[in-house]
Amino acid sequence: QKEVEQNSGPLSVPEGAIASLNCTYSDRVSQSFFWYRQYSGKSPELIMSIYSNGDKEDGRFTAQLNKASQYVSLLIRDSQPSDSATYLCAVNWGYNFNKFYFGSGTKLNVKP
Amino acid sequence: EAGVVQSPRYKIIEKKQPVAFWCNPISGHNTLYWYRQNLGQGPELLIRYENEEAVDDSQLPKDRFSAERLKGVDSTLKIQPAELGDSAVYLCASSSYGWTSGRASTDTQYFGPGTRLTVL
Repeated sequence: QKEVEQNSGPLSVPEGAIASLNCTYSDRVSQSFFWYRQYSGKSPELIMSIYSNGDKEDGRFTAQLNKASQYVSLLIRDSQPSDSATYLCAVNWGYNFNKFYFGSGTKLNVKP
Repeated sequence: EAGVVQSPRYKIIEKKQPVAFWCNPISGHNTLYWYRQNLGQGPELLIRYENEEAVDDSQLPKDRFSAERLKGVDSTLKIQPAELGDSAVYLCASSSYGWTSGRASTDTQYFGPGTRLTVL
């Protein structure tokens, strides 16, 4: 069983809409959760990190964490064509805090 | 602050040839990671260093891959001999960790631009 699961997509949304990306993880002592954006041919870049249950907002991005249900999501409001990329979810565990597990990513297409 | 530096950015070699990648992490970051990313997949950890010690190399194909991080700063990843299936992007990342209230925690990791390897 994979540690971190994501729907590969592609997820298509119209410009200006809300894009919702989801990630589930296996039952471990989870510690930290991260969302990375990766444009085609580029390396991953950090968008958000979240450590506690609830929502964390940064500009048009909101990360949501629900440890009881073992999922973390990323909402992108007012989606722009420049948001079109693959979004990677990463998790590290409390017992091995320095090791990151990545999902395979969800490809997002924002149509003008 | 300079980011993670990697070289070369692109490498094309024939199978059975050796190849080496170099990484210089963000200054002060004690943890260095080498990942391999295949098309359509997330990064897969090959090896993780804490300072100069390799603490996790369970995914490193040791028959052909080797890595070193002398003096706990920059690192080199080598493949010898390369196989067709080694074609991928090799990513280096770094992070720092510390202790807060008796509990270890890590800052997030930052990636370098990667090396795209093509084996013909």
